Formats: sequence, structure tokens, C-alpha cells
Amino acid sequence: EVQLLESGGGLVQPGGSLRLSCVVSGLTFSTYDMSWIRQAPGKGLEWVSTSASNGRIFYADSVRGRFTISRDDFKNTLFLEMNDLRAEDTALYYCVTKQGFGFALDYWGLGMLVTVSS
Amino acid sequence: DIQMTQSPSTLSASVGDRVTITCRASQYINVWLAWYEQKPGKAPNLLIYKASTLQTGVPSRFSGSGSGTEFTLTISSLQPDDSATYYCHQYKTEPWTFGQGTKVDIK
Repeated sequence: EVQLLESGGGLVQPGGSLRLSCVVSGLTFSTYDMSWIRQAPGKGLEWVSTSASNGRIFYADSVRGRFTISRDDFKNTLFLEMNDLRAEDTALYYCVTKQGFGFALDYWGLGMLVTVSS
Repeated sequence: DIQMTQSPSTLSASVGDRVTITCRASQYINVWLAWYEQKPGKAPNLLIYKASTLQTGVPSRFSGSGSGTEFTLTISSLQPDDSATYYCHQYKTEPWTFGQGTKVDIK
């Protein structure tokens, strides 16, 4: 059974930092593209960042320069370092897998709430 | 960025009805489109990928069609458990983008 367990969320003041982690089990982590997708309260889905299995990294314009995605393939863990947080970053952050070319976002974590407020 | 436009935004239908949701891409995306179902308080669940391929374990009453810029998700016989919000998602090009969602209610 595939499991994704996110941690590291919480309440932070504007301008602050947080680091999200996602531990994955039940699949060969190193062969999967890994992404963060977020959902603001009552809103739709927004792609944040992807760390591909081939080493390529992609960011949404809204977070580029402030967020850094990374992965540890030995520990089956995905990270999202978030700096200079803004109120508009408040959302539920999902860790999501993608099997590879042609496949879509197949396994989702439960989500980790990040609240940016003074 | 590729804009994804879903219609309708909400729909209400009866159990057993055939339901169709449309998604239009602002640019050509070939077949690189997925559909997800999200129930309140839950993570999205992949239903369809590559426009028409049913994800393992998804009931066969769900189907997808289309290519290029026009896509549809069809529920052949609506069930009570299908009350949810449905999102389309293009993954041809970063930034990946999602439709705004279609909320399906059971009458």
C-alpha cells in the first residue's frame, strides 16, 4: 500500500519560513516524479513545484525564488523549503506522486496546513 | 500559461442520470489531461489520465474523452457516492494548471 505522510506545517508570520517534509512508502521513490500541489481554503487546486526523477525541477511563478523543492531518494522523502511566506501562501499543501511520462498525479498525501498570519 | 475552463461550475442530477462535464484548454495539449474527484475534507483522487485511460480501481461508470483542446468526463449512471467536486488538469507543459472545478450534487 502506498502511503505519503506530510509534516512540518503550522502557523507562521508573514515573512517567516517553514519546511515541509513528505515520507513516501510502498513504491520505488527514486523512479517517481514528486510534486507539491496546494489548495487555499475553499478554493481550487494549484500546482506549486515538481522534482522529477531525472533531476529536473520546476516551480510556479508565484513561488519561484522563495520556495525550494528537494528530495532524498535514500530516505524516500520529499521536502519543500518555504521562505518569505505571504498571506496568499496559506493553503493545504499536498505531496503527490507521478509515475512518469504520460501518467498523472496518482497518489496524494492527506495534506499539511500552512497558515501565514500575524 | 495554459488556462483550463470547466463547465458547468455546478450541477445537480438524480441517481442514475448520465452526467457530462466539459473542460477546455486555451492551447493544444494533445491527450495530456487528467480528471480528479475530490470529496469534502479529502485529498483529490485520480479518475482518468491521458484523457481517456481509467485509473486502476476506478468504477467503469467513469469515462473520459477528447484530445487537443476539448475534453469531457462522463458518469454513465450517477451514484450517491459521486457527490463531489471534479477537476480537470493539464500536464502537457509546466506550469501545470487545473480547471476551477465542477461541484456535482445529488438531487
